[in-house]
Amino acid sequence: ELKVEQNPLFLSMQEGKNYTIYCNYSTTSDRLYWYRQDPGKSLESLFVLLSNGAVKQEGRLMASLDTKARLSTLHITAAVHDLSATYFCAVDVVYQLIWGAGTKLIIKP
Amino acid sequence: NAGVTQTPKFQVLKTGQSMTLQCAQDMNHEYMSWYRQDPGMGLRLIHYSVGAGITDQGEVPNGYNVSRSTTEDFPLRLLSAAPSQTSVYFCASRGGGRAYEQYFGPGTRLTVT
Repeated sequence: ELKVEQNPLFLSMQEGKNYTIYCNYSTTSDRLYWYRQDPGKSLESLFVLLSNGAVKQEGRLMASLDTKARLSTLHITAAVHDLSATYFCAVDVVYQLIWGAGTKLIIKP
Repeated sequence: NAGVTQTPKFQVLKTGQSMTLQCAQDMNHEYMSWYRQDPGMGLRLIHYSVGAGITDQGEVPNGYNVSRSTTEDFPLRLLSAAPSQTSVYFCASRGGGRAYEQYFGPGTRLTVT
């Protein structure tokens, strides 16, 4: 069975702190996506990671992919309140995206 | 470019009713898909299409039908609505080749009573 597991599922943190969200998956894939979702809204693409060792950064967010370990990480640096949202990872398996359950991130001032 | 559009935004159905959720994209994308999102869960793929006239089932296809007569449109039909189909439905599209980024519509919030 294809599984994508995110942890933690819920994270409450203070502004200015660093933290990492982990995404483990159970099947071979060299494409992984990170999305952000605000309450009641659609999904916004953050990163598309296309190969082993891929690292992408945008502002305070950095994502990486290790296809051998079947692990991706989303690192948040010096968190700010505006980054509060739910973050999803999804693994591409032959035209189908398999999604993690999401990490709800709350950043307190 | 409107991107991916979905109608309606909200819908309430009674058990046993049927309806069609509309999805359209103006980016000439080959690949389109339908997902449902339930509270506390990630998205689950219902059906997808890799081009006009070609559709296939995803993870949770039961109770839903799709067709793809044009590149632009990919409607999702609920045959006989059930309370278990209460969910938020998202349509998405992406281009072919190495255009891997997937674009999502705004979603349809469906309640079945």
